Parts: sequence; structure tokens; C-alpha cells
Amino acid sequence: EVQLVESGGGLVHPGRSLRLSCTTSGFNVGDYAMTWVRQTPGKGLEWVSFIRNKAYDGTTEYAASVKGRFIISRDESKNIAYLQMNSLKAEDTAVYYCTRSREGSGWHDYWGQGTLVTVSS
Amino acid sequence: EIVMTQSPATLSVSPGERATLSCRASQSVSSNLAWYQQKPGQAPRLLVYGASTRATGIPARFTGSGSGTDFTLTISSLQSEDFAIYYCQQYNNWPPWTFGQGTKVEIK
Repeated sequence: EVQLVESGGGLVHPGRSLRLSCTTSGFNVGDYAMTWVRQTPGKGLEWVSFIRNKAYDGTTEYAASVKGRFIISRDESKNIAYLQMNSLKAEDTAVYYCTRSREGSGWHDYWGQGTLVTVSS
Repeated sequence: EIVMTQSPATLSVSPGERATLSCRASQSVSSNLAWYQQKPGQAPRLLVYGASTRATGIPARFTGSGSGTDFTLTISSLQSEDFAIYYCQQYNNWPPWTFGQGTKVEIK
């Protein structure tokens, strides 16, 4: 059974860092594209970051709003995807979901349950 | 960036009735469109991809149609478990992948 479980969210001060983890089971995280999507009441669902599967050398993409501050990665030995979030801003406050996509498909066939990140002083 | 616009924002429907949800793209996305369902406190769930292909395990009462810029999700006979928020997402031009703002289907 395919499962994705996010962790690492919480309350953090502006300017600080946080690392989210997406622990997966039922598939090899290196064989799929992995994405982080966030959701806020005001902006809805927003794509954040994407890492391609190992056949595509794990190349990455970032939304303009997080480029230069967030880093996506994965550890195939642990079957975990990560989102390192640096220089956090209040507008990064959201529920963060990790998702799985078949390489080249573009749609997200499995989602984790989400983890809440609150950036506030 | 392709902007996805969903209408209506809220749809009030009685159980057993048909619901028709619309999604419009600011430019053509061919058939590269997916639909998701989200219930309170849960993650979105994939319903349809390729504009009209139902995902694994999705009941036949969910039908996606359209291509280019105009798309429709039809729920033929609403069941109690179908009251939720529905989102469309384009994956034709990326990055970024973009989502609509959602249509809430509520009980009339």
C-alpha cells in the first residue's frame, strides 16, 4: 500500500529554518517525481517544489515565491523526501503536502495528510 | 503562468441530483488537466487525469470532459460522500503547475 506521511511542521519565527520530511512506503521514492504543494485559506493550493526521478538525475524546480530559500531533496536509502525551508516568511504559513507523480505525468496520484507550518513572531 | 478559474465557487445540490463543475484555463492546456476532491481535514484525492480518465477506484458517476481551455466535471447522482471541495489542476505548461481556486459542493 502506498503511503506518504509528512512531519516536521510547527511554529517558527520569521527568518528561521525548518525541514519537512515525507516518509514514504509502498514504492521507491527514487522511481517517482516527488512534489511539495501547500495550501492556505487565502491562496488555495500552490505548487512549491518538485524533484524528478533518478532517471532524470533528480533535477529540481521551485516556485518563484520560494526559489533561493527552499531546497527539495530525497534519501532513497530511507525512502524519504525532504523540503528544507530557510529564511521563512509569514506568507509561508500553510499546510504542506507531499505528493507522488509518475515521471512525466503531471498529476498527483498520492498525497500525504499534510503538516502545518506557522511562521509567526 | 496559466491561471485556472473554477465556477461556481459554491454549488448547492440535493442528494441524487447531478452536479456540473466548470474549470477554465487562461490558455490552452490540451487535455493535460486533473481533478481532485478534498474533504475537510483531508488531503486532496485524485479523481480524473488526462481530462477524462478516472483514477483507480473512482466511481463511474464522476465524469471529466473537455479540452483546450474549457473543462467540466460531472457527478451524475450525488451521494452523501461527494459533498466536498473540487479542484482542477493543469500540467500542460510547467513549472508552475497551477490549480483552480476550488468549487465547494454543498447539500441543498
